[in-house]
Amino acid sequence: DAGVTQSPTHLIKTRGQQVTLRCSPISGHKSVSWYQQVLGQGPQFIFQYYEKEERGRGNFPDRFSARQFPNYSSELNVNALLLGDSALYLCASSIGANSGANVLTFGAGSRLTVL
Amino acid sequence: DAKTTQPTSMDCAEGRAANLPCNHSTISGNEYVYWYRQIHSQGPQYIIHGLKNNETNEMASLIITEDRKSSTLILPHATLRDTAVYYCIGRGCYTGTASKLTFGTGTRLQVTL
Repeated sequence: DAGVTQSPTHLIKTRGQQVTLRCSPISGHKSVSWYQQVLGQGPQFIFQYYEKEERGRGNFPDRFSARQFPNYSSELNVNALLLGDSALYLCASSIGANSGANVLTFGAGSRLTVL
Repeated sequence: DAKTTQPTSMDCAEGRAANLPCNHSTISGNEYVYWYRQIHSQGPQYIIHGLKNNETNEMASLIITEDRKSSTLILPHATLRDTAVYYCIGRGCYTGTASKLTFGTGTRLQVTL
């Protein structure tokens, strides 16, 4: 079975540009979450989407946005890129959204470098 | 979600059991203890989770103290491939954003020959 797939795996942007990252969840999973991991730190929660609706948002500026499509795939958009946005962006999927016993499965991530 | 405290790093000889401790003294009654690990440059990998009882799966065992203020992840026979950063996370039941995992800095486990 395919796991969580993310694209692109690596990309380089310059300050001020915009980036779109894509995520395909495991088949049957309806919830997608996004995390940012800066070098040397643990992942930080950005967004959660379930059934195409935003269910949660972390402490990130409005330059970060996301959406979920009818097939449950998701996109993360970051506008007006800053050097500090350089990070590994991780997508995680789960079957549902509201249970503490709901296991998240992570993709391998998209590594963004902002120059 | 409960704040967790883990040692920064640990070493373990290959073939021996690796015991990774975690303190979560502020954990509430409906919060699960989750363990994930992250091998260099990969996404976090789920290991195991538990609420009150000890749990075991094909990867590891999770021992939770009776007062639930601490737990230990046990890798029974560590191999070099178990070298990774291990995260202990307290995660509540329905909170509206239940998929949110609050990662700390984790324990860097180095398995050596």
